[in-house]
Amino acid sequence: GNSVTQMEGPVTLSEEAFLTINCTYTATGYPSLFWYVQYPGEGLQLLLKATKADDKGSNKGFEATYRKETTSFHLEKGSVQVSDSAVYFCALGTSYGKLTFGQGTILTVHP
Amino acid sequence: DGGITQSPKYLFRKEGQNVTLSCEQNLNHDAMYWYRQDPGQGLRLIYYSQIVNDFQKGDIAEGYSVSREKKESFPLTVTSAQKNPTAFYLCASSDSGSKETQYFGPGTRLLVL
Repeated sequence: GNSVTQMEGPVTLSEEAFLTINCTYTATGYPSLFWYVQYPGEGLQLLLKATKADDKGSNKGFEATYRKETTSFHLEKGSVQVSDSAVYFCALGTSYGKLTFGQGTILTVHP
Repeated sequence: DGGITQSPKYLFRKEGQNVTLSCEQNLNHDAMYWYRQDPGQGLRLIYYSQIVNDFQKGDIAEGYSVSREKKESFPLTVTSAQKNPTAFYLCASSDSGSKETQYFGPGTRLLVL
C-alpha cells in the first residue's frame, strides 16, 4: 500500500534560517504529491503540489521537487519567518481521490 | 467567498450519545471526505463520497456513519460504538477533475465528557 514518511520533529529554527523538511513515499503507480500546512487550531491549507516526476511546486517562498528516483518530496524555504511556525504535512494522492498523509512535522521559528 | 464550513468548532459528547458534525461546501465540488486527526499523528480517512447518494468507508469507518443527500453537505455522525471519539475532525472536498487536490474546512474538536 501507499505510505508517506516525514522527518521527525519538532524542528526549531531562528528567523531567516534555511528550512528543509524531508519527505519520502512508497506508492504504486504515479501519485501526486502535496505539502499542507496547519496553523494552531485550524484546518489544513494546501501549500504546494506536484503532479509528476521532476515537477517543482512552489508557494510563499516554499519549494518542493518531485523526485521519482529517490521517491522524495522534500520541503525547502530559504529564509523562514516567525509566521511560518505551524505543522507541515506531506501527502500522497491518487487519481481516485484518496490522500495518504505523513505524521506531520512541527516547525517553530524564533525571532 | 467559496469554501468549506464546519460546525460547531467544539463539540462535547456524553457517554452513549450520538453526535453529528456538520460539513458544508459551496465550491460545487463533487467529492467530499471526513478525516480524523489525533495528536502527533497524520490524518486518517473515515468516509468519503464521490457523488450524491453514494459513499464509501475509509480506513477507520467503525463507529461512524455519514449521509450525502445533497451535493454541498456531508454530515458525519459519531455513534456510541466509537469508543475513543476524542479527536479533531476535518472535512475536505475536491473537484471531479482533480480529485487528489483536496481543500479542507477549519475542523471540529470533539471532546468526551
